[in-house]
Amino acid sequence: AQSVTQPDIHITVSEGASLELRCNYSYGATPYLFWYVQSPGQGLQLLLKYFSGDTLVQGIKGFEAEFKRSQSSFNLRKPSVHWSDAAEYFCAVGISGYSTLTFGKGTMLLVSP
Amino acid sequence: DSGVTQTPKHLITATGQRVTLRCSPRSGDLSVYWYQQSLDQGLQFLIQYYNGEERAKGNILERFSAQQFPDLHSELNLSSLELGDSALYFCASSLAGGRGTDTQYFGPGTRLTVL
Repeated sequence: AQSVTQPDIHITVSEGASLELRCNYSYGATPYLFWYVQSPGQGLQLLLKYFSGDTLVQGIKGFEAEFKRSQSSFNLRKPSVHWSDAAEYFCAVGISGYSTLTFGKGTMLLVSP
Repeated sequence: DSGVTQTPKHLITATGQRVTLRCSPRSGDLSVYWYQQSLDQGLQFLIQYYNGEERAKGNILERFSAQQFPDLHSELNLSSLELGDSALYFCASSLAGGRGTDTQYFGPGTRLTVL
């Protein structure tokens, strides 16, 4: 069965600094990969997704992620963090033929002034 | 706003009781998913319905059941509630139902507190 690991439970970044959130997956074939963001009291919003092709994908709000098959990783990046980016971020994996997603435990991003 | 609606937003009840959570998918979406989010377990997939039929089952307890109605709204029924059932329950919807590439759109969730 597939699994997702987000090694960092919390990360604090200064406003304006760059951000990288880590995500590692375990799955035998090429997975479908997603990053979602959850703001306090809100549902999950899709930031970006990777299915195939270019391994660097662009998402909303200035986020991007890179799929690295050799490292089984799909790390999320942003060059300059804004205070409004403070939220919880979830990496998820889907597999071909199934719509269900397996989520990581999430990384809480705190943004300091 | 994802277009997925969930009611109620908050629910407080006692152990042993039964509750029903309701979800309306985005217009045109045929699949509905239910997830449970708790501090210790994280976000866990419970069950998926596609066009009225159960499509996939995850870590759903036998005390829990769901259905999707002809108008495509869905209900999640939780019975014989225990303290450990306290969690945030999310509904999500997607256009289709059998492809890993489907984007799931999440509702705002129902926070269930069992006292």
